[in-house]
Amino acid sequence: DAGVTQSPTHLIKTRGQQVTLRCSPKSGHDTVSWYQQALGQGPQFIFQYYEEEERQRGNFPDRFSGHQFPNYSSELNVNALLLGDSALYLCASSLRDYNEQFFGPGTRLTVL
Amino acid sequence: AQKVTQAQTEISVVEKEDVTLDCVYETRDTTYYLFWYKQPPSGELVFLIRRNSFDEQNEISGRYSWNFQKSTSSFNFTITASQVVDSAVYFCALSEENDMEYGNKLVFGAGTILRVKS
Repeated sequence: DAGVTQSPTHLIKTRGQQVTLRCSPKSGHDTVSWYQQALGQGPQFIFQYYEEEERQRGNFPDRFSGHQFPNYSSELNVNALLLGDSALYLCASSLRDYNEQFFGPGTRLTVL
Repeated sequence: AQKVTQAQTEISVVEKEDVTLDCVYETRDTTYYLFWYKQPPSGELVFLIRRNSFDEQNEISGRYSWNFQKSTSSFNFTITASQVVDSAVYFCALSEENDMEYGNKLVFGAGTILRVKS
């Protein structure tokens, strides 16, 4: 039973560029959440997707957008990258009405 | 507003010592859920426990135990006879029931770095 997978593992971008991160949920899960974890801090909730729609959103600017596909996989897009966007981006999957979330290994984004 | 506080930034112990990681939370909901996650150097968050606000029984799982006290809004985590493999960052998190209709986001504390020395 595959767990949550994320790609790529690492990514280096320059300021102003755009980036897309990908996530495949754990088998049987229908909900995907994205978190940003800056160095030395706890994960911060970005948004959550269910049935291909954004269900809940944290306090992040519109530069952060996402998508969920019919197979429940998801993408996180960040436009106009800033140095402060450098972080570990974690994807978590769960069932809609059950809040135990399973996390992937993350994508480490470095913005130069 | 939801808030989770882990006041201990870093703890160092010698192998076989017991160690307790503190977690204090704030919520206005009467129904909520508390979690502990472990983050080893690889970066992946590993789920350890989920507890709902109506279940104040302490739980033990091997060398791990959790003490939930609603009166002090605390959900502390104890590792008995610590081992080097326990070295990691540990996060406490909160999810509110009222959020469930719109989503089930987790609010995390800042984490506690645990270093177990041999």
